[in-house]
Amino acid sequence: QKEVEQDPGPLSVPEGAIVSLNCTYSNSAFQYFMWYRQYSRKGPELLMYTYSSGNKEDGRFTAQVDKSSKYISLFIRDSQPSDSATYLCAMSASSNYQLIWGAGTKLIIKP
Amino acid sequence: GAVVSQHPSRVICKSGTSVKIECRSLDFQATTMFWYRQFPKQSLMLMATSNEGSKATYEQGVEKDKFLINHASLTLSTLTVTSAHPEDSSFYICSARDAQGSEKLFFGSGTQLSVL
Repeated sequence: QKEVEQDPGPLSVPEGAIVSLNCTYSNSAFQYFMWYRQYSRKGPELLMYTYSSGNKEDGRFTAQVDKSSKYISLFIRDSQPSDSATYLCAMSASSNYQLIWGAGTKLIIKP
Repeated sequence: GAVVSQHPSRVICKSGTSVKIECRSLDFQATTMFWYRQFPKQSLMLMATSNEGSKATYEQGVEKDKFLINHASLTLSTLTVTSAHPEDSSFYICSARDAQGSEKLFFGSGTQLSVL
């Protein structure tokens, strides 16, 4: 079993829909959780960063962490075609510790 | 956020040649940089951790004589793929933390290497 599980998709939704992306993990020591967005043939871009449990909102993006269930989510409201990309979750047990990556979910927003 | 610049963005070379990829932190000092490799439709695979002024730490299965890493300054790390072969063709990406103790990674734009 991988330490971080993420459905690779692709996930295809119509423009304007609410998108839910998820990762599950097995290591209860993880405390730092991140979501990255990667366009094709580009480096990943940090979207959201969360420490421990709880929610964090930034514009159309909301990140949720449920440590009791070892489950993290990224919600995208009012999705746009420009949101079409691969979204990777990443997490670590402590600062300066190696990030463990999910496989990435390919998201397609249809106009 | 912090900016990491990576060059070249794309390189095509003949088998047997060496290719150097540069990674620079533009507005911060990076004592540690990371080099990743990514195959199509797959996630990032950490190759090595580059430490300024010391030897790089390579992940299991990564040949250190094949992938030479030099981190000579606080803002520059280079990855040299020596005697490249077609199986080395891949997308290579560098990253750095914006400060010591930070868990946030900022990435370069990546280098697509194609070995003929």
